[in-house]
Amino acid sequence: EPEVTQTPSHQVTQMGQEVILRCVPISNHLYFYWYRQILGQKVEFLVSFYNNEISEKSEIFDDQFSVERPDGSNFTLKIRSTKLEDSAMYFCASRLGDQANSPLHFGNGTRLTVT
Amino acid sequence: TQLLEQSPQFLSIQEGENLTVYCNSSSVFSSLQWYRQEPGEGPVLLVTVVTGGEVKKLKRLTFQFGDARKDSSLHITAAQTGDTGLYLCAGAREAAGNKLTFGGGTRVLVKP
Repeated sequence: EPEVTQTPSHQVTQMGQEVILRCVPISNHLYFYWYRQILGQKVEFLVSFYNNEISEKSEIFDDQFSVERPDGSNFTLKIRSTKLEDSAMYFCASRLGDQANSPLHFGNGTRLTVT
Repeated sequence: TQLLEQSPQFLSIQEGENLTVYCNSSSVFSSLQWYRQEPGEGPVLLVTVVTGGEVKKLKRLTFQFGDARKDSSLHITAAQTGDTGLYLCAGAREAAGNKLTFGGGTRVLVKP
């Protein structure tokens, strides 16, 4: 069964450094998302992306964050200057349509640790 | 921001017992999805409910969407140790582009 893949599985970085988290969504999917989950807290929406542009972003997704679909397969999340509070699991997700019953498929996440 | 409250936050039961997890909100959702998340992995979709009053069964799991589409429940019959995990509900609203808003999760531990 096709799946969403994320790399790396774990990223350790120093405060102030830039990180790029990579995702390969399911190939025929059109809608892409990034969520994050701080340890012990709920899964939070960051951004949605469709037709090569951001559809919606949360208040968490400030100027330090950006997303890109550089080619037909990859979907990346960049954090320009990481802060300690950016430490979290970052999940990429994709789905075929944006209807209410369109299932959302998640990758296994990248654990980002900012020191 | 609509809030999805899950209860209880943690549930510990013996194998063979039944359990129910609740997901409540003051907002109306166009759909509600239930996920299960294992440590170190992403959420895995169990079911999507769309119609008010809808009941869906997945083997020993029964999912119900409230008539007003504001709440949902997950009932597990004769729980097994393999049911241990974090259960998440997530709601979608058309006005919000059907992006998912997650509840805080219920951690279920089924002891042998």
